Amino acid sequence: GENVEQHPSTLSVQEGDSAVIKCTYSDSASNYFPWYKQELGKRPQLIIDIRSNVGEKKDQRIAVTLNKTAKHFSLHITETQPEDSAVYFCAASRYAGGTSYGKLTFGQGTILTVHP
Amino acid sequence: SAVISQKPSRDICQRGTSLTIQCQVDSQVTMMFWYRQQPGQSLTLIATANQGSEATYESGFVIDKFPISRPNLTFSTLTVSNMSPEDSSIYLCSVRLARGNRAYEQYFGPGTRLTVT
Repeated sequence: GENVEQHPSTLSVQEGDSAVIKCTYSDSASNYFPWYKQELGKRPQLIIDIRSNVGEKKDQRIAVTLNKTAKHFSLHITETQPEDSAVYFCAASRYAGGTSYGKLTFGQGTILTVHP
Repeated sequence: SAVISQKPSRDICQRGTSLTIQCQVDSQVTMMFWYRQQPGQSLTLIATANQGSEATYESGFVIDKFPISRPNLTFSTLTVSNMSPEDSSIYLCSVRLARGNRAYEQYFGPGTRLTVT
């Protein structure tokens, strides 16, 4: 089955700096890659996703890049703010035909701390 | 997105007892999932709750321990049976919403924090 590795496990940055979290996946058929942000005591929230027909997607200060050849994708946060502090999870799944996608396989998570 | 609610939000239970967690969604969804998240860990899929048929369980999870119901397209329950302290965790339901042809987004409920003493 799919295996998703996420690095780093912790990341500490100063406010205003950029943060990059990387994930690698094993199943070359995976074609959907969402990112979730989980604040302490809260539910995981979908913040951005990318599908294999695009290489990059941006939404304000966050962006995701995908390299299908190398089987890795990354989350980029620019101009970080203290409220970006949270645990971030990447995930991967594959299209299974019709309107069906396979299950999401999650990375281990990255604890991001943004210092004021 | 969808509004997803869970009951209870938290509970403290004695070992050997069972707890049923409810998940309600404000729209009809074809796919609902149950996840477990142990403290400081990632999300582990327990099972996919299929409407009108048996749930599909992941490796390491069995129906006798985690029976699931899915009576309609907006509701599901997960029961944690014969609990032990190792079952202490956060249990989250999750739904998948279609976004056009061959696309979807997956959202999570607020979770149920279970402590077994």
